[in-house]
Amino acid sequence: SQQGEEDPQALSIQEGENATMNCSYKTSINNLQWYRQNSGRGLVHLILIRSNEREKHSGRLRVTLDTSKKSSSLLITASRAADTASYFCATTSNDYKLSFGAGTTVTVRA
Amino acid sequence: SQTIHQWPATLVQPVGSPLSLECTVEGTSNPNLYWYRQAAGRGLQLLFYSVGIGQISSEVPQNLSASRPQDRQFILSSKKLLLSDSGFYLCAWRGGAGDGYTFGSGTRLTVV
Repeated sequence: SQQGEEDPQALSIQEGENATMNCSYKTSINNLQWYRQNSGRGLVHLILIRSNEREKHSGRLRVTLDTSKKSSSLLITASRAADTASYFCATTSNDYKLSFGAGTTVTVRA
Repeated sequence: SQTIHQWPATLVQPVGSPLSLECTVEGTSNPNLYWYRQAAGRGLQLLFYSVGIGQISSEVPQNLSASRPQDRQFILSSKKLLLSDSGFYLCAWRGGAGDGYTFGSGTRLTVV
């Protein structure tokens, strides 16, 4: 069963704008991860945030985690056309199995 | 460096035919390996995972099976495919930077 749910399901923004997507989950976690999937391709790991962390940065990506609300957000700053993709959050618990949400499809318009 | 290979990239099979998808990992030993399926426009569903040779855990009852004959080889099989087995199948291993998963490029299976 899916653990995470992303919001919104789809997002369309202008190049240069920021994109924010949210993820909510149901059970306690060890860590939360974000992945990107270009159309018809495999998933690429973007960033991992552990349950004892609140914020993490990687290049133009910023991830926050609020374990009290069981939610996370992914911010992509200064978006580019190459950021067009589907973004998935995934969580792991003690068994280290990844549970994925349904994803947010991001379209960056030139 | 660690790499993961998955093949074939696309496959069209008739209903009732057998299936064998192979996944191999290089550059690591004793990896945790996973098979996921992604329906069109949906998230990923975990099908099987393996923590070692011959050790397979199934997540959902289905028409598929998995085997791990060698440390770095993970095989997804079916004796008789159903239309509902169509989807995008992804192999993954847990490892690399920060415990993130590394995914193969996927196999798009269409059962006709």
